[in-house]
Amino acid sequence: GESVGLHLPTLSVQEGDNSIINCAYSNSASDYFIWYKQESGKGPQFIIDIRSNMDKRQGQRVTVLLNKTVKHLSLQIAATQPGDSAVYFCAENDSGAGSYQLTFGKGTKLSVIP
Amino acid sequence: NAGVTQTPKFQVLKTGQSMTLQCAQDMNHEYMSWYRQDPGMGLRLIHYSVGAGITDQGEVPNGYNVSRSTTEDFPLRLLSAAPSQTSVYFCASSLMASNEKLFFGSGTQLSVL
Repeated sequence: GESVGLHLPTLSVQEGDNSIINCAYSNSASDYFIWYKQESGKGPQFIIDIRSNMDKRQGQRVTVLLNKTVKHLSLQIAATQPGDSAVYFCAENDSGAGSYQLTFGKGTKLSVIP
Repeated sequence: NAGVTQTPKFQVLKTGQSMTLQCAQDMNHEYMSWYRQDPGMGLRLIHYSVGAGITDQGEVPNGYNVSRSTTEDFPLRLLSAAPSQTSVYFCASSLMASNEKLFFGSGTQLSVL
């Protein structure tokens, strides 16, 4: 079946460096992608989303890149801070299938070294 | 504005007991859903509702019931708890079913002994 996965389960970065979290998806029909941040003991928190008619979208200190050719999604965090330490999930949806249910990846843990 | 509120935050049950996990949202969202989160499994959809009076099954519905009598509330009922239902449960909502951006509650950690 279709799935959403991550290349790296854990990522450690130095404070101030840029972080890149990757996500591979296998459903070529997916047209909506979203990133969530989950801090310990809390629910997932929306970071940024992107539709398949775009290949890049920027937010505050975060950028999502979408490469539909290789079915790859990435989240870039600029000037990583200790507060960025969390598990990051990507999720995708194929709205053309008539479903609005997100399929979540298993997550990448980001640890920021002070 | 409280967003999505879940209670209780922690719960321990014995096998066979029943209980209800509460979820309420004050954003007038049409769509509400329940997920469970297990290590290495990501978030899996249990049940969802696209509006008051309408519910449907997600990926892992067995052992759970839901109802949606009001727009604000979407309780999840465990009829006869089993150890396999030990998990962290999240309620999430969005403005409408076609809006995939979900807002999550803070979760309920459930242990079934």
